[in-house]
Amino acid sequence: KAGVTQTPRYLIKTRGQQVTLSCSPISGHRSVSWYQQTPGQGLQFLFEYFSETQRNKGNFPGRFSGRQFSNSRSEMNVSTLELGDSALYLCASSLGQGSGGTEKLFFGSGTQLSVL
Amino acid sequence: GQQVMQIPQYQHVQEGEDFTTYCNSSTTLSNIQWYKQRPGGHPVFLIQLVKSGEVKKQKRLTFQFGEAKKNSSLHITATQTTDVGTYFCAGEGTYKYIFGTGTRLKVLA
Repeated sequence: KAGVTQTPRYLIKTRGQQVTLSCSPISGHRSVSWYQQTPGQGLQFLFEYFSETQRNKGNFPGRFSGRQFSNSRSEMNVSTLELGDSALYLCASSLGQGSGGTEKLFFGSGTQLSVL
Repeated sequence: GQQVMQIPQYQHVQEGEDFTTYCNSSTTLSNIQWYKQRPGGHPVFLIQLVKSGEVKKQKRLTFQFGEAKKNSSLHITATQTTDVGTYFCAGEGTYKYIFGTGTRLKVLA
């Protein structure tokens, strides 16, 4: 079974630009959640999508948005990039049968975003 | 809001020594998970604990869930260089899982 695939692996952008990250979950998984990982803040929850609907949202500004397609693939978009957005963005997939954190998460390798 | 803290933040041990990381939540948890992230890698699920006072073992790793379900620990016996990485606990919060701050383990050969 293929794992969670995230593309691209690395991205370099400048302030003010926007970026779109992609995540393909494990086949059969319907939930995709996104996390921002920085050395100082650890893993911060961004949002979760299940069956094309945003089910949960973390405490991030509206510049961070996402969507999920009918095949469960998910994209995350960050508009008007700021220097502080430099981070490793991880997506995780799960079956989606539980709610509020009862399932095992399978993480992708992440997208390392650098904002200059 | 709910917080999940881990201590210590960093730990350097000699190969063969034991290692323990502690996870503390500001609220009662229904369950807790542990993940390991190797340097340059992504978090990988290790285990989930659900019951109060539960203890689970995986070879040299022992996981405990506190009686009050507000804390947990991971103990590694006789560390090996393959144990290097950051260990995260994750507790159920309002928004899916809230991850602890992580403990970075370095094992000196």
